[in-house]
Amino acid sequence: QVQLVESGGGVVQPGRSLRLSCAASGFTFSSYAMHWLRQAPGKGLEWLAVASYDEVTYLYADSVRGRFTVSRDNSRNTLWLQMNSLRGDDTAVYYCAKDREPSLIHYLGSWGQGTLVTVSS
Amino acid sequence: DIVMTQSPDSLAVSLGERATINCKSSQSVLHSSNNQNYLGWYQQKPGQPPKLLIYWASTRESGVPDRFSGSGSQTDFTLTISSLQAEDVALYYCQQYYRTPLTFGGGTKVEIK
Repeated sequence: QVQLVESGGGVVQPGRSLRLSCAASGFTFSSYAMHWLRQAPGKGLEWLAVASYDEVTYLYADSVRGRFTVSRDNSRNTLWLQMNSLRGDDTAVYYCAKDREPSLIHYLGSWGQGTLVTVSS
Repeated sequence: DIVMTQSPDSLAVSLGERATINCKSSQSVLHSSNNQNYLGWYQQKPGQPPKLLIYWASTRESGVPDRFSGSGSQTDFTLTISSLQAEDVALYYCQQYYRTPLTFGGGTKVEIK
């Protein structure tokens, strides 16, 4: 079955960097677009970025463009999110998710359990 | 960006009764190429990630009980739980996938009255 396991979260000081990973298994990773989303404590869902199935196209939300970088390696079935210049409002649970279908249509069929990032001095 | 607005923010429904959640998009999410509404619904229980319930506005995901149904078109959508069960207590979110950035409604909390 599909498994998405995020790692790399933790407590980090404002202005520092953190790299999240999402290890995928149970499906053909190279066929699906993959996403990063987050949820601040007690708040709703915010989409952050998508990496196309073929490692070619990367799109971002305005709130993180220029600070966050999504990447993937289809040979390693892994998705990453490099987060730089972290701020207090980046504190959230970060989820990776996969498209439901191997297409360019982004409804999210599977989600990881999430990893908590806390930005605090 | 397409803004998604859900209502109500919360609702309390008796067991076995109907729960109705509304979602409105700031522009139509009906794609003329395939006549499909690019709208999904997710359920999130405490401490868990969201789970896809409905896509294409009205197609139930595999394994989702048939008491969950989605309806609507263009800018106005509804998620209905026909007979609320205790296990349906959760937050519910709508999401448009018509274009990036993908955007979600603010969520509706469903509780037992």
